[in-house]
Amino acid sequence: QITLKESGPTLVKPTQTLTLTCTFSGFSFSTSGVGVGWIRQPPGKALEWLALIYWDNDKRYSPSLKSRLTITKDTAKNQVILTMTSVDPVDTGTYYCAHTQRSGSYSSWGQGTLVTVSS
Amino acid sequence: DIQMTQSPSSLSASVGDRVTITCRASQIINSYLNWYQQKPGKAPNLLIYAASSLQSGVPSRFSGRGSGTDFTLTISSLQPEDFATYYCQQTYYVYQTFGQGTKVEIK
Repeated sequence: QITLKESGPTLVKPTQTLTLTCTFSGFSFSTSGVGVGWIRQPPGKALEWLALIYWDNDKRYSPSLKSRLTITKDTAKNQVILTMTSVDPVDTGTYYCAHTQRSGSYSSWGQGTLVTVSS
Repeated sequence: DIQMTQSPSSLSASVGDRVTITCRASQIINSYLNWYQQKPGKAPNLLIYAASSLQSGVPSRFSGRGSGTDFTLTISSLQPEDFATYYCQQTYYVYQTFGQGTKVEIK
């Protein structure tokens, strides 16, 4: 059974850096084709894809946020970390991590973590 | 940027109705199109992948069609548990994009 769980601060001040961790079980980055993506959702709005990292360290980013995002993985700890710099109140929302194979569809999701950007 | 446009943005339907949601890509994405269902306060749930393949455990009343730029998600007979928001997602390009969502409400 695949499980994922997001963790990180619930409140961040504008201009600060947000660091979110996705801790997973039931799969491994040692397996070819495995990936973990980050998707966010502002309150009452649509899903927005942010970034994705594959087992071979191939990294993909949303073009509109690429300059602010960094995605890394810790294979030994079964974790994926997303860093977002210079946060703004518009970055407020629920952040999800999710598991994918090479197809790109996300078959398992974390429960999400709500991040509020406010002074 | 690849834009994914869903229509309608919302719809009202009754239990038992046949419902079709459309998703159009701004560029060709072959069959790299997935559909998700999301209920309030919950993470999305994968329904259809690769345009027409039913995810394991998803009821057969859900079906997907299309390739290239135009895709549809059909619910053959709407059930009470199907009232939710539905999103399409393209995974053809290096970066992925979601549609803006279609909310299916009770008539």
